[in-house]
Amino acid sequence: DVQLEESGGGLVQPGGSLRLSCAASGFSVNNEYMNWVRQAPGKGLEWVSLIYRGGSTSYADSVKGRFTISRDNYKNTVYLQMNSLRAEDTAVYYCVRDREFDEYIFAFDLWGQGTVVTVSS
Amino acid sequence: EIVLTQSPVTLSLSPGERATLSCRASQSIDTYLAWYQQKPGQAPRLLIYLASTRATGIPTRFSGSGSGTDFTLTISSLETDDSAVYYCQQRSNWPPLTFGGGTKVEI
Repeated sequence: DVQLEESGGGLVQPGGSLRLSCAASGFSVNNEYMNWVRQAPGKGLEWVSLIYRGGSTSYADSVKGRFTISRDNYKNTVYLQMNSLRAEDTAVYYCVRDREFDEYIFAFDLWGQGTVVTVSS
Repeated sequence: EIVLTQSPVTLSLSPGERATLSCRASQSIDTYLAWYQQKPGQAPRLLIYLASTRATGIPTRFSGSGSGTDFTLTISSLETDDSAVYYCQQRSNWPPLTFGGGTKVEI
């Protein structure tokens, strides 16, 4: 079965840290572009971060310098290290595979079920 | 950063009717646009990529069109199961990867 399973969410105080994990099965994360996308309560989708096949990374301005995306090829897992958390980081965080259907043609074809992060004192 | 504007915000229709959802980009994105469906309590699902190509398993009542800055998602004959929020996403100039604000379809 091809799937993604997130874990690591929870309640954290402002200024705190949390590490999210995304375990993939049925494919290898190092062969794909992998993303984190979040959704604040009652709001739309916001892209957070991307790790390319080669290991380069990219971040939304809202999290740059605070969040770090990484992966462990042996565990076939993608991570999101979140530091200096703020109330506005409260959201459901989704791990998403970015499939390359053809040259330069990408779309988010596989989503995890999401993990909830709440930043509150 | 490319901004996507979706309209209307909410669409209320009856089963069997046709739904037309709009997505407008702040600059030309050729046909590098995807559409997603999100039902309450669920993760989004890919419907359409490259503006008009249906993803695997997506019913033929869903169709996408458009190029440049104006795009449309059409649901030809609504079913009650189509109640959801629909998002567009540009894949022309990224990162950042941007989504529209969503259109809620109520049936």
